[in-house]
Amino acid sequence: GAVVSQHPSRVICKSGTSVKIECRSLDFQATTMFWYRQFPKQSLMLMATSNEGSKATYEQGVEKDKFLINHASLTLSTLTVTSAHPEDSSFYICSVTQGATRYEQYFGPGTRLTVT
Amino acid sequence: TQLLEQSPQFLSIQEGENLTVYCNSSSVFSSLQWYRQEPGEGPVLLVTVVTGGEVKKLKRLTFQFGDARKDSSLHITAAQPGDTGLYLCAGEVDSSYKLIFGSGTRLLVRP
Repeated sequence: GAVVSQHPSRVICKSGTSVKIECRSLDFQATTMFWYRQFPKQSLMLMATSNEGSKATYEQGVEKDKFLINHASLTLSTLTVTSAHPEDSSFYICSVTQGATRYEQYFGPGTRLTVT
Repeated sequence: TQLLEQSPQFLSIQEGENLTVYCNSSSVFSSLQWYRQEPGEGPVLLVTVVTGGEVKKLKRLTFQFGDARKDSSLHITAAQPGDTGLYLCAGEVDSSYKLIFGSGTRLLVRP
């Protein structure tokens, strides 16, 4: 499977500031990456689909102006949480699809965001 | 809205016991994946099933995709403490590569 990294693994920020999370595909070029959010004791919720070279596609209820996604290269997608609030505190996870079995997704280790 | 419901939500069993986790939906999925997630980490892919009625085995884990591709099950034989974790099923939506995740089954295997 694909190897995916995320940075940072943990971040604490103050309310009102912005935070950028990086997702890197380390061993292949990913035209499509996905961003998920997971609250404690809950499952993963898809936030958006990140397409290289084009605008991200957001799921219903996800504010595109609050969660800015940039997929400028085939190995890097970034998620910026703008004007973060405590309710944005969550576990953010990215995933990539690979090659012929594109329905299989390989996940990064996640980023724990805490907004104080 | 397509939903995937998993049952049970939580399972605590003794080492050596067998268990089955179910994943059900009223929708048809192009494919279905099973993942296991450890606390503070991303999900790890266990298996993908694509064909209705398909059965796949991964050591002590047996996965089955329903004939109508609306449901799936995961059976673990002789569970071990190392099997402890959150098990998630995820269905692919309309061959779009987007996944809808089930609610998850939290498994605890006591030594």
